[in-house]
Amino acid sequence: EDQVTQSPEALRLQEGESSSLNCSYTVSGLRGLFWYRQDPGKGPEFLFTLYSAGEEKEKERLKATLTKKESFLHITAPKPEDSATYLCAVRGTQGGSEKLVFGKGTKLTVNP
Amino acid sequence: DGGITQSPKYLFRKEGQNVTLSCEQNLNHDAMYWYRQDPGQGLRLIYYSQIVNDFQKGDIAEGYSVSREKKESFPLTVTSAQKNPTAFYLCASSRDGDYEQYFGPGTRLTVT
Repeated sequence: EDQVTQSPEALRLQEGESSSLNCSYTVSGLRGLFWYRQDPGKGPEFLFTLYSAGEEKEKERLKATLTKKESFLHITAPKPEDSATYLCAVRGTQGGSEKLVFGKGTKLTVNP
Repeated sequence: DGGITQSPKYLFRKEGQNVTLSCEQNLNHDAMYWYRQDPGQGLRLIYYSQIVNDFQKGDIAEGYSVSREKKESFPLTVTSAQKNPTAFYLCASSRDGDYEQYFGPGTRLTVT
């Protein structure tokens, strides 16, 4: 069964203090790892898709990386507006290509 | 503006009543999905549809029903058979099952 574990559950940073969020996964044949940002009471916002180990993608202060067992979301010099819950999901080869398995998320708070 | 709309944003119902949640997209996406989000849990797939007039059960389909009569619309009915219907419901769509999913703003359903 495909599984996703995100750590830490919650993270508090000071503005400008860089850090990383972790997404560990077990999947039968990775067909994509997805990062989303979710603000309270809203739907998740798509950030990145990674397909193979060694792949990296960047957007503003965010950089996502992928290995064969985990993905990291690096946040460089965060600002208070980066505060949100970050979700990781994987799509494997079992159960059809439609199924995404989500982690429980990391709640990031950036203090000014 | 292209996107996914869900209505209403908040919905209150009495136990024993069926309720239908609306989801519309103008992204010309073939695939549509319904998820449920509960505090402290990852998103869980209820139903999905990859093409008009066809849909499949997800991991937690019991007590729910859907229809896909138009490409743009994928309504979800929460029936009285659903044991714990109070939750945040999210609709998503994608170009097809292999691509990233985009989410709507969500409907918070409270059943008392």
